Amino acid sequence: ETVLTQSPGTLSLSPGERATLSCRASQSIRSSYLVWYQQKPGQAPRLLIYGASTRATGIPDRFSGSGSGTDFTLTISRLEPEDFAVYYCHHYDSSPQTFGQGTKVEIK
Amino acid sequence: QVQLQESGPGLVKPSETLSLTCTVSGDSINGYYWSWIRQPAGKGLEWIGRISSSGSTHYNPSLKSRVTMSVDTSNNQFSLDLTSVTAADTAVYYCARAVAGTGDFEYWGQGNLVTVSS
Repeated sequence: ETVLTQSPGTLSLSPGERATLSCRASQSIRSSYLVWYQQKPGQAPRLLIYGASTRATGIPDRFSGSGSGTDFTLTISRLEPEDFAVYYCHHYDSSPQTFGQGTKVEIK
Repeated sequence: QVQLQESGPGLVKPSETLSLTCTVSGDSINGYYWSWIRQPAGKGLEWIGRISSSGSTHYNPSLKSRVTMSVDTSNNQFSLDLTSVTAADTAVYYCARAVAGTGDFEYWGQGNLVTVSS
C-alpha cells in the first residue's frame, strides 16, 4: 500500500498569504494519478487538482499543483477567506488507492 | 447536474450489517465506476471500494472480507453492505463518482453518518 504523508498537519496563515502544502508518497506515483481535494466542515470533499497539476472545473487560478515521483505540492498563492479548509491528497496509481491524512489551513 | 444521495440507517448494532444505498440523479449510472469512501469523525478518508455499472467490483483489501457492493441500473442506484461491524466502522460514509476513465472523484454525496453502538 502506498502511504501518503501530508505536511504540515496544520498551517496557520492570514488572508492574502501564500500556502504551501506537501504530500509525500511512500512509493513513486505517476503524476496522472495524484489528486487534491478541499473539504470544509460538514461538507463532502471537492475536487481541486487532478493529474497533479490540472485545476478542476471552476477552481480559481490561485490554486496550483506540482510535483512528481514521491513529492507533490499544492500551493495557494493568496489565501481568500473561503480557502480555509482541510486539504487532502489522494492517489489511485496502485491498489488500494489511499488518501493523505490532510492538512488543515486555518486563519492565524 | 449530477447528484448523489446516500440513504440508510444512522445506527447499527455491533456485529450486525451496515447497509447503505446511493441514488444517482442527473445522469445514468451506466458507463462509470461508483465508489464508497468513509471518514471517521475528525479523521481522514478511506476508500472502501468501487463497482462498475456492469457489476464488476474492486475492494480495499483491508475491508474485502466484510464488503459487498451491488448495482441496480434500473433504479440508478448502487449499494454497500459491510458485515460484522464494530465501533471502528463508525464514520461518515460517502458515495462518489470519478471522472470517466480516471479515479478523480468529481461528484460526491453529502455523506451519511453511521454510528455503531448497542
